[in-house]
Amino acid sequence: AQSVTQLGSHVSVSEGALVLLRCNYSSSVPPYLFWYVQYPNQGLQLLLKYTTGATLVKGINGFEAEFKKSETSFHLTKPSAHMSDAAEYFCAVSPGGGADGLTFGKGTHLIIQP
Amino acid sequence: NAGVTQTPKFQVLKTGQSMTLQCAQDMNHEYMSWYRQDPGMGLRLIHYSVGAGITDQGEVPNGYNVSRSTTEDFPLRLLSAAPSQTSVYFCASSYWGGQGSEKLFFGSGTQLSVL
Repeated sequence: AQSVTQLGSHVSVSEGALVLLRCNYSSSVPPYLFWYVQYPNQGLQLLLKYTTGATLVKGINGFEAEFKKSETSFHLTKPSAHMSDAAEYFCAVSPGGGADGLTFGKGTHLIIQP
Repeated sequence: NAGVTQTPKFQVLKTGQSMTLQCAQDMNHEYMSWYRQDPGMGLRLIHYSVGAGITDQGEVPNGYNVSRSTTEDFPLRLLSAAPSQTSVYFCASSYWGGQGSEKLFFGSGTQLSVL
């Protein structure tokens, strides 16, 4: 069984500031890890993913995440926030890409202050 | 290339009514799934399918039925709607197995209210 914990249901940062969204997971097998973004009234879009290989993963829109096995974490970062980054962000885990579904965290609403 | 198409976008039902949420994809994906999204709960898997004729239950299957007669379509049926089924429903698809199978493509959602 796997689970995902996203720390902070709401995160507020100033435009131009560092964005850090936290995600911790538990998995009984080597995990595949994902970050998805959801803009208002839309479905989810894949930001980035970790499957195997390099632990620092770069995604779209300047986001990146680092897989840290020892900390069971997969935090999402962006050096400089933009107003267009305001959205809901979901961390998800699957057991090695298995199709019996991704397990999603509860989401973090990112607010960008002008 | 339309991707994943869900209909309707909005629906209001009375308790006890039945309805079908439609989902179609034109990417020839073997894997399709249904999620529900509730405030503060993230997305929870209802049912999924790894190919035509094959379906299985996810985390929250009670009150929902699915079938997969074609690769393209994966309808979700509410047999007797209850207020607890008020939610936003998302359909998603992906390749099954191999490179790329870990990326889900999502539809734009169906907002369902049960009164």
